[in-house]
Amino acid sequence: DGGITQSPKYLFRKEGQNVTLSCEQNLNHDAMYWYRQDPGQGLRLIYYSQIVNDFQKGDIAEGYSVSREKKESFPLTVTSAQKNPTAFYLCASTGRADSPLHFGNGTRLTVT
Amino acid sequence: QRVTQPEKLLSVFKGAPVELKCNYSYSGSPELFWYVQYSRQRLQLLLRHISRESIKGFTADLNKGETSFHLKKPFAQEEDSAMYYCALYNFNKFYFGSGTKLNVKP
Repeated sequence: DGGITQSPKYLFRKEGQNVTLSCEQNLNHDAMYWYRQDPGQGLRLIYYSQIVNDFQKGDIAEGYSVSREKKESFPLTVTSAQKNPTAFYLCASTGRADSPLHFGNGTRLTVT
Repeated sequence: QRVTQPEKLLSVFKGAPVELKCNYSYSGSPELFWYVQYSRQRLQLLLRHISRESIKGFTADLNKGETSFHLKKPFAQEEDSAMYYCALYNFNKFYFGSGTKLNVKP
């Protein structure tokens, strides 16, 4: 069954620690995206990647980092430099540039 | 590029018409989408303007003069209760509005 898998569903970290969120897809999609979803703010783009070994910053990239070593995987690291890391994070992918996005189930990160 | 959804919450009774507003700012021919998130489900595509489809009774018309892409349904059902997001695609990026929560009351 094809789809996007984000893990874990819930993640708890202490302030000052880096944390990596996993996103894997078996849809053979080239493009992958990371969004942050906060109440009342919709989805804001963190990073995106159109092809393996290449990625671009989105609107709120500060304090985050990504890698795209494999087509199927696009992990997001929330670093200690991110001032408000507690949020719901969504990963998405698409096969063609303007095709609709397919979303994962999300990871809720809580940093205390 | 900006996508604006002015209503955070929209409550209607079952059987009433519903319109979820979406305005965008973009100079060009936009690619516009509506996504929906039902309770405890992942965000999914509802419809896109170029396909001009009606999905689950919903339609959306692109009005370039008013830069709007409002989502409409003539008779709301309780199962339509969900979070709705309008999105615009441009240069490899998807821009989302802040979302409107639709509550359909019995």
